[in-house]
Amino acid sequence: EVQLIQSGAEVKNPGGSLKISCQTSGFTFTKYWIGWVRQMPGKGLEWMGVFYPGDSDTRYSPSFQGHVTISADKSITTVYLQWSSLKASDTAIYYCARGEGVNWFFDFWGRGTLVTVSS
Amino acid sequence: DIQMTQSPSSLSASVGDRVTITCRASQGISNYLAWYQQKPGKAPKLLIYAASTLQSGVPSRFSGSESGTDFTLTISSLQPEDVATYYCQKYNSAPPTFGQGTKVEIK
Repeated sequence: EVQLIQSGAEVKNPGGSLKISCQTSGFTFTKYWIGWVRQMPGKGLEWMGVFYPGDSDTRYSPSFQGHVTISADKSITTVYLQWSSLKASDTAIYYCARGEGVNWFFDFWGRGTLVTVSS
Repeated sequence: DIQMTQSPSSLSASVGDRVTITCRASQGISNYLAWYQQKPGKAPKLLIYAASTLQSGVPSRFSGSESGTDFTLTISSLQPEDVATYYCQKYNSAPPTFGQGTKVEIK
């Protein structure tokens, strides 16, 4: 069974750092792209970027390039999304999801991680 | 970048009604179009890919079609469990952007 298990909700101060995770199972980790999608409160879906564990290839949407970093630990089949300096506008639900290609649809999704940035 | 314009932004229909949602691409994207369903408080779920291919396990009342740069998601007979927001996504090129979403409610 394909599963993407995301880490729990976070509350952070502006300017702080954060790393959330997406632990995968049920498929060959190195043969699929894992992406991140942002959903701000009451808003639609935004494609942030994807990571290919097979060769660590990483692609970002221009809207998110330079503000977030996607990485992975192949030994525990987990992909991460991290920020070095959070802003209040980063408050959102972040979903990880699996895709077969770099610019592809996502066939399995995690349940989402709520990130709240507030002082 | 290719823009995806989804319409309507919301609709209200009765149980059993036929419901149609449209997504228009600003340029040709072949059939690289997916549809997702997002129920309140839940993660999105893939319904259709390649414009008209039903994902495994999705009820047959859902269907997709294309005509040039216009793509349509049809629910043949709306059910109470179909209350959700529906999104299209083009994936022919970077970035694979989503439409703005269509909220479907029961009248």
